[in-house]
Amino acid sequence: EVQLEESGGGLVKPGGSLRLSCATSGFSFSDYSMKWVRQAPGKGLEWVSSISDTGRYIYYADSVKGRFTISRDSATNSVYLQMNSLRAEDTAVYYCTRAVTTVDPSDIWGQGTMVIVSS
Amino acid sequence: YVLTQPPSVSVAPGQTARIACGGNNIGSKSVHWYQLKPGQAPVLVMSYDSDRPPGIPDRYSGSNSGNTATLTISRVEVGDEADYYCQVWYADNDHVVFGGGTRVTVL
Repeated sequence: EVQLEESGGGLVKPGGSLRLSCATSGFSFSDYSMKWVRQAPGKGLEWVSSISDTGRYIYYADSVKGRFTISRDSATNSVYLQMNSLRAEDTAVYYCTRAVTTVDPSDIWGQGTMVIVSS
Repeated sequence: YVLTQPPSVSVAPGQTARIACGGNNIGSKSVHWYQLKPGQAPVLVMSYDSDRPPGIPDRYSGSNSGNTATLTISRVEVGDEADYYCQVWYADNDHVVFGGGTRVTVL
């Protein structure tokens, strides 16, 4: 069974940092691109970042560029999102998703992890 | 690139729900649709305009032409009540774009 499990969410002060992890299983991790998508409370879905299967191609939403860093580790079949200089508007549920390529839709989603940025 | 969806659609059980997604010349792009239910992981219900992923009932169909893409749910059931989002990949800046979402309420 294909599974994505996010972790690392929590409460952090504005300006702080947090690292989200997404553990994957049930598929060949190195054959897929991975994406992070978030949903702020009461708001819609917002794409955050994508990383290609090899990690060579990386893309960020304008709202997080320069503050967030996506990475992946084929040894642990995991994808990460390092979030720095966090702002109140980064408060959201963060979903890890799988896609065949960065162009393709997200065919599998995790349950999400909540990030709250508040003083 | 902006995708516009109606905030809500209401439909009686057994009837047809049509959810629109508007965008400039969206017919030239591939549109994907996701279903979100509270407390559950989002689900891809339609890809590349009209391809149903495995496990999605054939009551779900999609179309895309001109400036509007449409997700159609036929013979609506109570279990179809959810938020639905359209999405495209915008090649100009390699960005993923979501519509604002439509809440489908089954009366």
